[in-house]
Amino acid sequence: KAGVTQTPRYLIKTRGQQVTLSCSPISGHRSVSWYQQTPGQGLQFLFEYFSETQRNKGNFPGRFSGRQFSNSRSEMNVSTLELGDSALYLCASSRGRGETQYFGPGTRLLVL
Amino acid sequence: DQQVKQNSPSLSVQEGRISILNCDYTNSMFDYFLWYKKYPAEGPTFLISISSIKDKNEDGRFTVFLNKSAKHLSLHIVPSQPGDSAVYFCAASAVFRSQGAQKLVFGQGTRLTINP
Repeated sequence: KAGVTQTPRYLIKTRGQQVTLSCSPISGHRSVSWYQQTPGQGLQFLFEYFSETQRNKGNFPGRFSGRQFSNSRSEMNVSTLELGDSALYLCASSRGRGETQYFGPGTRLLVL
Repeated sequence: DQQVKQNSPSLSVQEGRISILNCDYTNSMFDYFLWYKKYPAEGPTFLISISSIKDKNEDGRFTVFLNKSAKHLSLHIVPSQPGDSAVYFCAASAVFRSQGAQKLVFGQGTRLTINP
């Protein structure tokens, strides 16, 4: 069974630009969560989608948004990039409530 | 406000001995706890979990212990192997008490090094 896949794996952008990251969950998983990992803040929850609805949101500015499609694939968008947005963005999927989250390899974003 | 804390940034253990990684939490709403292992440039890999109705869960070389009164959990790896060298994160969520929320709150991680 294929794991969680994320594209692209690496991305370089400049300040002010926007970026879209993609996540394909494990087949049959309907919940997709996004996390940001930085050296200073560790792993922090961004948001979670289930059946195309955002169920929970972390403490991030409105520049961070996401969506989920009917096939459970999810995208995350960051607008007006700042230097501090440089991080590893991780996507995790699970079957649903109370189920283990399995992570993808992440997208490493560098903002110059 | 660090709700999940791993107070040891690093730990070094001899191959074959027991590795004990610790994690403390402050939020009494947490009812589901997980341990993940992470290599550089990869996503976290799920190791083992425990729900708050249990105090121990075992899977092969890995055992997680939960002490609810102390708000403390630990991961025991026995025997430790060189391939266990990685960063270990504990994570917690309030899954069953918050309408299906899947938000994981992570500790800062402990870098485990297994010496041959």
